[in-house]
Amino acid sequence: DQQVKQNSPSLSVQEGRISILNCDYTNSMFDYFLWYKKYPAEGPTFLISISSIKDKNEDGRFTVFLNKSAKHLSLHIVPSQPGDSAVYFCAANDAGGTSYGKLTFGQGTILTVHP
Amino acid sequence: IAGITQAPTSQILAAGRRMTLRCTQDMRHNAMYWYRQDLGLGLRLIHYSNTAGTTGKGEVPDGYSVSRANTDDFPLTLASAVPSQTSVYFCASSEQGGNQPQHFGDGTRLSIL
Repeated sequence: DQQVKQNSPSLSVQEGRISILNCDYTNSMFDYFLWYKKYPAEGPTFLISISSIKDKNEDGRFTVFLNKSAKHLSLHIVPSQPGDSAVYFCAANDAGGTSYGKLTFGQGTILTVHP
Repeated sequence: IAGITQAPTSQILAAGRRMTLRCTQDMRHNAMYWYRQDLGLGLRLIHYSNTAGTTGKGEVPDGYSVSRANTDDFPLTLASAVPSQTSVYFCASSEQGGNQPQHFGDGTRLSIL
């Protein structure tokens, strides 16, 4: 039972345009959500997070939107750059509950930004 | 540079052999984690430790054991490796608390033949 799902295995965008990566979750206890970026042969790198008390968090070119009623979050990258080409993982946890720091990850989306 | 060091970076192992993957962090984080990454499944939690001296089971703990004798080290042991344990293994650490981002090592690529 996949509690965090990234239904798009891959996404291709042109440099300068917006990249939108989507993530859905089923566990209503999740209250903290993160996005990680991963390059080949490296570990995932933390990108941005959002608490369930917010619906938007912005950091430079990266914005995460959370729609709790739909159990959906998205990561927007504007403008996209070739260096953004990587695998993006969505993750969630029940920060205030028994799962403590344990993250549940989605399957990942491969983003390719073309020059 | 502060961070997480994993060793070895890759290993080929015969089935039935014992293997310990090493993980060391120098950020003085209380919490540490082991994940495995498999194609189409993302990262799945194997074991975790909220603080030195305590450990807990994650989503896929069978066939693996961990220990946390001190803050910095969190080794993962495969007592008798099986081919289904072929994967990329990532160690991570974080400040204590559910809303703290985890910092990852660069992984160990393990192939069980």
